[in-house]
Amino acid sequence: KQEVTQIPAALSVPEGENLVLNCSFTDSAIYNLQWFRQDPGKGLTSLLLIQSSQREQTSGRLNASLDKSSGRSTLYIAASQPGDSATYLCAVRGAGANSKLTFGKGITLSVRP
Amino acid sequence: DAGITQSPRHKVTETGTPVTLRCHQTENHRYMYWYRQDPGHGLRLIHYSYGVKDTDKGEVSDGYSVSRSKTEDFLLTLESATSSQTSVYFCAISESLGALETQYFGPGTRLLVL
Repeated sequence: KQEVTQIPAALSVPEGENLVLNCSFTDSAIYNLQWFRQDPGKGLTSLLLIQSSQREQTSGRLNASLDKSSGRSTLYIAASQPGDSATYLCAVRGAGANSKLTFGKGITLSVRP
Repeated sequence: DAGITQSPRHKVTETGTPVTLRCHQTENHRYMYWYRQDPGHGLRLIHYSYGVKDTDKGEVSDGYSVSRSKTEDFLLTLESATSSQTSVYFCAISESLGALETQYFGPGTRLLVL
């Protein structure tokens, strides 16, 4: 059974800092890995999707990397801003018919002005 | 934003009563999902649908049933609500499965079972 771990559960940084959020998964047989953002009381918004054949994806100040063989992904946020404060979740889709998304519990990020 | 609405957005009910949550999409996507989100557990899949009248169980399906009679609507029913079903329920949709599949989430329904 796939397990997705995100440590630490919470992180507080000063504005302007570059930061890395980590995600690990136990089964390397995946189709893709996604990073989502969730604001308090809201649904999830997809930030980046990395296919299993890719190493990284970039969108603005966000860069996500994938090392499938070691079961790890990182989300790099450059020049953090208070508006980046949210919970960040990673999810992996297993390879195979009717595979589902398995989510980590998320990292709650607070960027201090 | 993907055209996904959930109703009701908030509900308080009593133990033992049936409850139905509705998810409505305007994207004509084939796949629809119901998740619950709880502190310490993250998001867990309850049921999903891969077409009209085609549904299957997820990780935590006990005590829940679903129906999909139209492409745009996916209903989640708690047959006899229990306090352990107090949670935030999210609906999601996707156009396809596979390497490029992205799920789009609704705003959630907060359910309190007393």
